[in-house]
Amino acid sequence: DTAVSQTPKYLVTQMGNDKSIKCEQNLGHDTMYWYKQDSKKFLKIMFSYNNKELIINETVPNRFSPKSPDKAHLNLHINSLELGDSAVYFCASSQDVAGGSGNTIYFGEGSWLTVV
Amino acid sequence: SQELEQSPQSLIVQEGKNLTINCTSSKTLYGLYWYKQKYGEGLIFLMMLQKGGEEKSHEKITAKLDEKKQQSSLHITASQPSHAGIYLCGADPQGGSEKLVFGKGTKLTVNP
Repeated sequence: DTAVSQTPKYLVTQMGNDKSIKCEQNLGHDTMYWYKQDSKKFLKIMFSYNNKELIINETVPNRFSPKSPDKAHLNLHINSLELGDSAVYFCASSQDVAGGSGNTIYFGEGSWLTVV
Repeated sequence: SQELEQSPQSLIVQEGKNLTINCTSSKTLYGLYWYKQKYGEGLIFLMMLQKGGEEKSHEKITAKLDEKKQQSSLHITASQPSHAGIYLCGADPQGGSEKLVFGKGTKLTVNP
């Protein structure tokens, strides 16, 4: 069983479209994250949810909206896609807010978004 | 597919002690990234290594990549409570536009 699964793994879409990337974890973790892998392959935090509540919301365009229907899911919805949104997006989860009583971080395999 | 294994999974040390975290790859690495996650924050980039035998230091943290580019170590000298957190290694499999792959992290606790 995949601990953190993201869908789709690859997505090619046109500018202006609205798309969602879904993330599910079956580890019973309380905290989930969305990261963006930039062109230099550095990871940048976008959002973090703990028990369905938003705890980290970095400066990202408001076209990006996370949605957490329950603590096992954290979906990323992107409106009016732009060329610069092309990147790999990683979902991750941890038992607790990392560094607290929780343990390690589990990453999904990443979703490669290409906007044309 | 590339797999990264980190060891140990968790580590508890007394303040002032030195420690080492390892990251081992099943395949040759093009690039190796070290990150740290602190309580309530996202990942913080520490260092990136690309060349076999490369070593980089930042303050009291030193990262090395072995000559075969399959193993990296992160060494902290004279640890402090501020070093506590989760350390994560990530690998660039091929150097192209590939996704990074990650270890599962090492949780470091530093007791004062």
